[in-house]
Amino acid sequence: NAGVTQTPKFRVLKTGQSMTLLCAQDMNHEYMYWYRQDPGMGLRLIHYSVGEGTTAKGEVPDGYNVSRLKKQNFLLGLESAAPSQTSVYFCASRNGGSVYEQYFGPGTRLTVT
Amino acid sequence: AQKVTQAQTEISVVEKEDVTLDCVYETRDTTYYLFWYKQPPSGELVFLIRRNSFDEQNEISGRYSWNFQKSTSSFNFTITASQVVDSAVYFCALSEANQAGTALIFGKGTTLSVSS
Repeated sequence: NAGVTQTPKFRVLKTGQSMTLLCAQDMNHEYMYWYRQDPGMGLRLIHYSVGEGTTAKGEVPDGYNVSRLKKQNFLLGLESAAPSQTSVYFCASRNGGSVYEQYFGPGTRLTVT
Repeated sequence: AQKVTQAQTEISVVEKEDVTLDCVYETRDTTYYLFWYKQPPSGELVFLIRRNSFDEQNEISGRYSWNFQKSTSSFNFTITASQVVDSAVYFCALSEANQAGTALIFGKGTTLSVSS
């Protein structure tokens, strides 16, 4: 099993450009999450999904959109990138039911200039 | 409101010293889960432990041990005889059973540096 994978690993964008980050998991997990990690801030939840076709906002959703068209994939979109979105983005997934640990992808380092 | 506080931003120790990382949490939920994750310099997040609110037993795994005390809302992590490979950022996190999505609420992390 590959676990949770993220594409791309690194990306540099110019202000105003758009891009999509792809998260894929092969563990048949119901729940998927997008977090961002900034220095000294820990990880903060952007959006999450509790199943195929569902999405919901987290703590810091502004400037991002998500889609979960397939159970194994969770896409994070930036429509018009801003320097404040420079961050490391982590995707995670877990089983439904009891609150089990989340499995994290390797992260995507995004720089917006 | 839920919150996780890791008051120690950075800790430096010499190899073989014992070190305790503090974690204090706030929650109104009676059913919740606490986690510790390790983030080594390579950047990935490694799951270490999960503890639910009804299980206050301490846990030991090799050189790692965890002390959960509901009375003080703390879930502290001790590394015994630290090694250079323990150098990493350690995150404590909380998940509430009744929170939609049951996402993790992270503390800001403690950076542990172990020198030889």
